[in-house]
Amino acid sequence: EAQVTQNPRYLITVTGKKLTVTCSQNMNHEYMSWYRQDPGLGLRQIYYSMNVEVTDKGDVPEGYKVSRKEKRNFPLILESPSPNQTSLYFCASSPDPRLIQGRVLTFGAGSRLTVL
Amino acid sequence: AQTVTQSQPEMSVQEAETVTLSCTYDTSESDYYLFWYKQPPSRQMILVIRQEAYKQQNATENRFSVNFQKAAKSFSLKISDSQLGDAAMYFCAYRSDDNDMRFGAGTRLTVKP
Repeated sequence: EAQVTQNPRYLITVTGKKLTVTCSQNMNHEYMSWYRQDPGLGLRQIYYSMNVEVTDKGDVPEGYKVSRKEKRNFPLILESPSPNQTSLYFCASSPDPRLIQGRVLTFGAGSRLTVL
Repeated sequence: AQTVTQSQPEMSVQEAETVTLSCTYDTSESDYYLFWYKQPPSRQMILVIRQEAYKQQNATENRFSVNFQKAAKSFSLKISDSQLGDAAMYFCAYRSDDNDMRFGAGTRLTVKP
């Protein structure tokens, strides 16, 4: 089944304890992206990647890191989490966005992160 | 930067009735793409409908249709014959030709039996 898989789905952690949220897609998509969803703000882009070894900042990159060493994986790293990073996180992917069909994002199921 | 505005934080509709969710956006681009995504309680983001800005014809997908007014920068979603399963948060989204993607704050739709 074509999908975007995120793990963990739920995580409670403490301030300063490094964590990684994994994201993997099995659709051979070039484009991958991370969003955070907060009430009243919709989804805001954290980082995105147009292809392997190519990553760019989105609107809210502070406090996050990403890497794209393989086409299928795009992990989100919080080196030193803080309470303001408590949020619902979504990974998404799409085919080459230069193509019309590449404009549609496929989302993962979301990861609820709580930082105490 | 482009912005997307959903002015209705909450809407409700009676089952089998029709409801329209509003969305406006701000852009100086001529080529772009618009989407409506549905987020049910499961939190999964599901594509409902999409519209290419260069197409004048409004997109339709079964009971879902849009009213795309390019000059007014408006992209409303009409849900006909509303069903209980339509209850969800709906997000309007804009994607520019250079792949900048923006989401609105969402509209929570309640469907009353």
